[in-house]
Amino acid sequence: DAGVIQSPRHEVTEMGQEVTLRCKPISGHNSLFWYRQTMMRGLELLIYFNNNVPIDDSGMPEDRFSAKMPNASFSTLKIQPSEPRDSAVYFCASSLHYSNQPQHFGDGTRLSIL
Amino acid sequence: GIQVEQSPPDLILQEGANSTLRCNFSDSVNNLQWFHQNPWGQLINLFYIPSGTKQNGRLSATTVATERYSLLYISSSQTTDSGVYFCAVGTHNYGQNFVFGPGTRLSVLP
Repeated sequence: DAGVIQSPRHEVTEMGQEVTLRCKPISGHNSLFWYRQTMMRGLELLIYFNNNVPIDDSGMPEDRFSAKMPNASFSTLKIQPSEPRDSAVYFCASSLHYSNQPQHFGDGTRLSIL
Repeated sequence: GIQVEQSPPDLILQEGANSTLRCNFSDSVNNLQWFHQNPWGQLINLFYIPSGTKQNGRLSATTVATERYSLLYISSSQTTDSGVYFCAVGTHNYGQNFVFGPGTRLSVLP
């Protein structure tokens, strides 16, 4: 079975540009999570969805960040405008249920903002 | 929010040795998971274990929720076990209260 699929794997762009990260969860999973990993702050939960509805976005760092889940098989995380401090690895994960099931992670997107 | 501590921060083992990694958390939880991040950066779910004991091959985990800790045991370690092991915990109020610990970096030498 296919796991969580993220694209692109790597993204390098200049500050001020819009960045869009994409995620396809495991088929049949009802919950989707976006995380950010940096050396300084470790792994941080940004936002999670259940049945395509955002449940908690309190981890989103600023209004420059937004996430959508238009259907059960696709989610995006956008940063506009991007800044160098947004450089990080962004992970998407999915699970059968957000509170009591294991999470399965994609391979991540390594984002570098110059 | 919940505080999560992991110990030791770093661990170096010879192949074949056993080890115990510890995760302490500051509040009651209903969700606890162990992950392995391999040297290529992939995060692999090892256990969903809010309480009790589970085993999967050479790995096992025990969570004592009433005492707010969990242990991950690795037996007969192999070089492929190298990487960072994370504990992550959550509560019924999920949101920012789903927190990853800082990790234990394990190096298994041949």
